[in-house]
Amino acid sequence: KAGVTQTPRYLIKTRGQQVTLSCSPISGHRSVSWYQQTPGQGLQFLFEYFSETQRNKGNFPGRFSGRQFSNSRSEMNVSTLELGDSALYLCASSLAGREKDGYTFGSGTRLTVV
Amino acid sequence: GEDVEQSLFLSVREGDSSVINCTYTDSSSTYLYWYKQEPGAGLQLLTYIFSNMDMKQDQRLTVLLNKKDKHLSLRIADTQTGDSAIYFCAESTQAGTALIFGKGTTLSVSS
Repeated sequence: KAGVTQTPRYLIKTRGQQVTLSCSPISGHRSVSWYQQTPGQGLQFLFEYFSETQRNKGNFPGRFSGRQFSNSRSEMNVSTLELGDSALYLCASSLAGREKDGYTFGSGTRLTVV
Repeated sequence: GEDVEQSLFLSVREGDSSVINCTYTDSSSTYLYWYKQEPGAGLQLLTYIFSNMDMKQDQRLTVLLNKKDKHLSLRIADTQTGDSAIYFCAESTQAGTALIFGKGTTLSVSS
């Protein structure tokens, strides 16, 4: 069965622009989580969606937002990009987001802000 | 708050055993995970352990959990060059909908 698909794989944006990243979870999975990975801060949780509702949110500014559609696909948006937003953004798919369900990660979108 | 700590680097020779250590703070975590990340790739779940277990073995991988000391370890037997990667320890939060990751241990295997 298909894994977690993130698009695009690579993205270069200019400071002040906005960007939208997409994640298609494994078929049948209803929970999608987003993480930011940087060399300095490591992997940090952004937010988690289940059945189109945000259930949990990490400690990121309001410029970071997300949504989930009825088919469980999710998008995250970053507005007014800053150089520090350059990172690998990873999406994780889970059956229902419960600990015992486990989480399957996509290959990520590498965002570079110049 | 919740925190997960790991040593940053480990270097071993091919054929040796590797042991990667991790400490965590949230005693309410029900599951603890080990993920592997190869260059340019996402995270691959290697194994996980339920908090009421002391040990879990899965082929070349052995996970040991000391709940009293909040210490988790991953042992890779007969380490191969293909095992060279970054290994992340993670615990689930109380809400169960997010993972807290350590900074990762870079394992370097020389032949």
